[in-house]
Amino acid sequence: QVQLQESGPGLVKPSQTLSLTCTVSGGSISSGGYYWSWIRQHPGKGLEWIGYIYYSGSTYYNPSLKSRVTISVDTSKNQFSLKLSSVTAADTAVYYCARVGSGYYFSLNYFDYWGQGTLVTVSS
Amino acid sequence: QSALTQPASVSGSPGQSITISCTGTSSDVGGYNYVSWYQQHPGKAPKLMIYEVSNRPSGVSNRFSGSKSGNTASLTISGLQAEDEADYYCSSYTSSAWVFGGGTKLTVL
Repeated sequence: QVQLQESGPGLVKPSQTLSLTCTVSGGSISSGGYYWSWIRQHPGKGLEWIGYIYYSGSTYYNPSLKSRVTISVDTSKNQFSLKLSSVTAADTAVYYCARVGSGYYFSLNYFDYWGQGTLVTVSS
Repeated sequence: QSALTQPASVSGSPGQSITISCTGTSSDVGGYNYVSWYQQHPGKAPKLMIYEVSNRPSGVSNRFSGSKSGNTASLTISGLQAEDEADYYCSSYTSSAWVFGGGTKLTVL
């Protein structure tokens, strides 16, 4: 059973960089076959996809956040990470990491395993 | 990409069936069979309920079913149970990116 766990500071000051790590257990990122993604949820709001990374390091980001987002992977630790720069109060949200799986179409297209989420508050 | 459109809320009585719609465009929902649905209970992470329009992951009750017609996807829950009360989100994958619906709050009366 694949499990994902987010970790990182729960409070970040405005203009600083938000940094989170997702630790994967029960499966190896380096085995390939999946994307590893970050998604966030503003308080009381819906879900927003942030970006994903493949074990090789290739990434793709939400165009609306692209200028501020960096996702990286450390296969030796079976972890992937999110950095979001120049944060404001609008970046206050629960951040989830998730695995992207594929079904009958052999295209990675849905989030099959999720972490429990971590609330990050941007405030001075 | 704009968010997909879902009704803000739906309700039903135990044992009844309800349907939640998810409307997009020909560039997302209508263009690909990559629609998925997620259930989220308060304070919990989303859970995959349907993938690729109509497929259920192992362990998901067969009371949950999905379909699509044109630019609108639908999630149907039959035989409503109290534990089905939750928020439901649709999502569409297209061109290496995902867009979500705004979410629908299901109330079991």
